[in-house]
Amino acid sequence: GENVEQHPSTLSVQEGDSAVIKCTYSDSASNYFPWYKQELGKRPQLIIDIRSNVGEKKDQRIAVTLNKTAKHFSLHITETQPEDSAVYFCSQILTGGGNKLTFGTGTQLKVEL
Amino acid sequence: GAVVSQHPSWVICKSGTSVKIECRSLDFQATTMFWYRQFPKQSLMLMATSNEGSKATYEQGVEKDKFLINHASLTLSTLTVTSAHPEDSSFYICSARDQAAKNIQYFGAGTRLSVL
Repeated sequence: GENVEQHPSTLSVQEGDSAVIKCTYSDSASNYFPWYKQELGKRPQLIIDIRSNVGEKKDQRIAVTLNKTAKHFSLHITETQPEDSAVYFCSQILTGGGNKLTFGTGTQLKVEL
Repeated sequence: GAVVSQHPSWVICKSGTSVKIECRSLDFQATTMFWYRQFPKQSLMLMATSNEGSKATYEQGVEKDKFLINHASLTLSTLTVTSAHPEDSSFYICSARDQAAKNIQYFGAGTRLSVL
């Protein structure tokens, strides 16, 4: 199947702390895993992505890890700031699946001062 | 990143009327675009895949006669919501796939549709 499970649905952290969001997929043919950040009423913005031939990728305060054996991937945000508050969606693309993105259910991240 | 323009950003219409939403890739060609619908506090649900020069591919449960998709050029796809009803009120978002950039998808700003 093409389902992507995402946890937690809401996450509150103190400014400066780290935040971790986890997703699990079911189809081993998935080969591309982008993460999107969406602020209220706005478009999803690609923040980081990882392909199935890589185990970890980092971009400043954001990192993504992929465990192909366990079929899960995670988003890590360090030194969180108030502007990180948004809804984050994990997603996947299946090889041969018409390049359709399948999204997780989303995580509402709130960074408190 | 690449830019995808979506218009209008907000539309209010009467029940029974039709609404057309445009999605344009501004600085790249997109043979494939996607249309999503998003209800409040929910995830993006794919409605259909829009293919340049051919018929769109609709997801299960999406009425193709109600949501008409036209992808007549490499930079423009349109979604027409025909005979709109209040239950069609939602946030509609398009995305365009940039084949030159490893198939990364870029999203439009979305269209908030309110059907009275």
